[in-house]
Amino acid sequence: GQNIDQPTEMTATEGAIVQINCTYQTSGFNGLFWYQQHAGEAPTFLSYNVLDGLEEKGRFSSFLSRSKGYSYLLLKELQMKDSASYLCAVMDSNYQLIWGAGTKLIIKP
Amino acid sequence: IAGITQAPTSQILAAGRRMTLRCTQDMRHNAMYWYRQDLGLGLRLIHYSNTAGTTGKGEVPDGYSVSRANTDDFPLTLASAVPSQTSVYFCASSRTSASTDTQYFGPGTRLTVL
Repeated sequence: GQNIDQPTEMTATEGAIVQINCTYQTSGFNGLFWYQQHAGEAPTFLSYNVLDGLEEKGRFSSFLSRSKGYSYLLLKELQMKDSASYLCAVMDSNYQLIWGAGTKLIIKP
Repeated sequence: IAGITQAPTSQILAAGRRMTLRCTQDMRHNAMYWYRQDLGLGLRLIHYSNTAGTTGKGEVPDGYSVSRANTDDFPLTLASAVPSQTSVYFCASSRTSASTDTQYFGPGTRLTVL
């Protein structure tokens, strides 16, 4: 079966750095997405990785290792507004997104 | 208004009733999707449409139907609602169904079936 694993919840301090991990086992691989979802709101796109390596976009970076079935999202200089759930999703061989359950990130002052 | 709209925002429905959730996008995206989101689970694809006039089944299609008569609209119908269909429903769209095209989400419909 297809599976996306990520931690249920993480806590970090304002101004710090946090890394959210995602491991996956899917039938085929056509890219990995990270989305941010604030409570009660819709998911919004953060990043897309299809090749191994690090993609940097401002305070957010995303890393992919296809051989290990592993990705992480790195958030730097954490702000209170970064408190949200972070969703990892993999596009499978049918070009459908398979989603993890999300990691709830709690930022403390 | 640019983006995706969904209606209603929330609804409480008696079991056995028929319900249509509406979704409209004005971005001229070819591909559209319906997901449900339940606590502790990832988003699950119900149905999708790669282009107007075509639809396909996702991971959890039973009890749901869709139509795609034009580019902008993608309604989701529950023919006879059951309590297990209590969930938050998100409609999404992307320029195409290609892997490089980002999916954009509507604000969601919170549905409670009693």
